[in-house]
Amino acid sequence: TQLLEQSPQFLSIQEGENLTVYCNSSSVFSSLQWYRQEPGEGPVLLVTVVTGGEVKKLKRLTFQFGDARKDSSLHITAAQPGDTGLYLCAGARSNTGKLIFGQGTTLQVKP
Amino acid sequence: DAGVIQSPRHEVTEMGQEVTLRCKPISGHDYLFWYRQTMMRGLELLIYFNNNVPIDDSGMPEDRFSAKMPNASFSTLKIQPSEPRDSAVYFCASSGTGEKLFFGSGTQLSVL
Repeated sequence: TQLLEQSPQFLSIQEGENLTVYCNSSSVFSSLQWYRQEPGEGPVLLVTVVTGGEVKKLKRLTFQFGDARKDSSLHITAAQPGDTGLYLCAGARSNTGKLIFGQGTTLQVKP
Repeated sequence: DAGVIQSPRHEVTEMGQEVTLRCKPISGHDYLFWYRQTMMRGLELLIYFNNNVPIDDSGMPEDRFSAKMPNASFSTLKIQPSEPRDSAVYFCASSGTGEKLFFGSGTQLSVL
């Protein structure tokens, strides 16, 4: 059973389009992180959200933590080919750093 | 800072052989994590250390897997004997706070 469900699993869009990736769970997390991973490399942290309802922006990326701290979303505006990669959400139950990762969303942005 | 350094980048071995993966965490980081990534199961936490002490090894699949951290700047993950189902990308990550993880580039392991 996957503790964190990400959807969609795969997404192929044209440059300039908008998209949203979802990360859902039945469990409550103390914080939730989003990572981006490129082929042949390890995941790189994009953002951490801690407070229910929190919204963080990173250029064209908008991250939101659900009010109940069980789900999160990542919205990309005007996607660019450089956004291509695997997007992973990860939930933390405590400050131990033991993160539970979702299966990931593979995004391909075509020029 | 060089980041988290893993070696080797690629390892091809035959079933039954011993495999040792190595990791050098970022200097000053107190937490070290070993993850395994496959298409089927995604990223799975195998074990993590805090101040060189193993804290949680519940993700280690079986007794064939062992991990050590003899000092703050070095850790190994050993598989003995290796099996084809161990084929995966193995990542090491370190953290100063226990929350923000810095990953290495991974070791691509293929067991034939």
